[in-house]
Amino acid sequence: SAVISQKPSRDICQRGTSLTIQCQVDSQVTMMFWYRQQPGQSLTLIATANQGSEATYESGFVIDKFPISRPNLTFSTLTVSNMSPEDSSIYLCSVELAAYNEQFFGPGTRLTVL
Amino acid sequence: EDQVTQSPEALRLQEGESSSLNCSYTVSGLRGLFWYRQDPGKGPEFLFTLYSAGEEKEKERLKATLTKKESFLHITAPKPEDSATYLCAVQDSNYQLIWGAGTKLIIKP
Repeated sequence: SAVISQKPSRDICQRGTSLTIQCQVDSQVTMMFWYRQQPGQSLTLIATANQGSEATYESGFVIDKFPISRPNLTFSTLTVSNMSPEDSSIYLCSVELAAYNEQFFGPGTRLTVL
Repeated sequence: EDQVTQSPEALRLQEGESSSLNCSYTVSGLRGLFWYRQDPGKGPEFLFTLYSAGEEKEKERLKATLTKKESFLHITAPKPEDSATYLCAVQDSNYQLIWGAGTKLIIKP
């Protein structure tokens, strides 16, 4: 498996501001993903973070709202821009290791927007 | 359309009372079915991958099985620490993951 850390673990933000979430992995991985999990619901994929190129976004998610960086094979950031209360969620990063088919998840970032 | 349905939504058991969680799916070209455990406020923790009908995997009090239409997560003599939400996901022929809504399991001492 992989050891994945996220910063911050939680934050409370004001409407209209932006927050950048960091994801660090203890080994080089090709595939990194960002998910959102709204209260009491399952996981929704936001985008695949591609190293050296623009992220691939799922339907309903756009780069202006959720810009993603992937400068190397161990690190990625997700920014939640111009936040509204509807953005209150847990944001999770995950990785897929080359030798495995399954994804491994970070501990998540709990975001509350007031 | 690919779909994953988990049942029940919530399950309350007494400690030691065995039961099963269900994950039924319709998917074009199953590449794998995954079970995860998620504790409140934490990321999902990987449990099992199943690839083909008839396959079974075990870990402590948990056993996962797979048929062509569904998967079961059997919990034998559960303990309070088994309380969590259990998530099921399937990967289709395009390597897309489709997630179920989860089953919240509560084990009472």
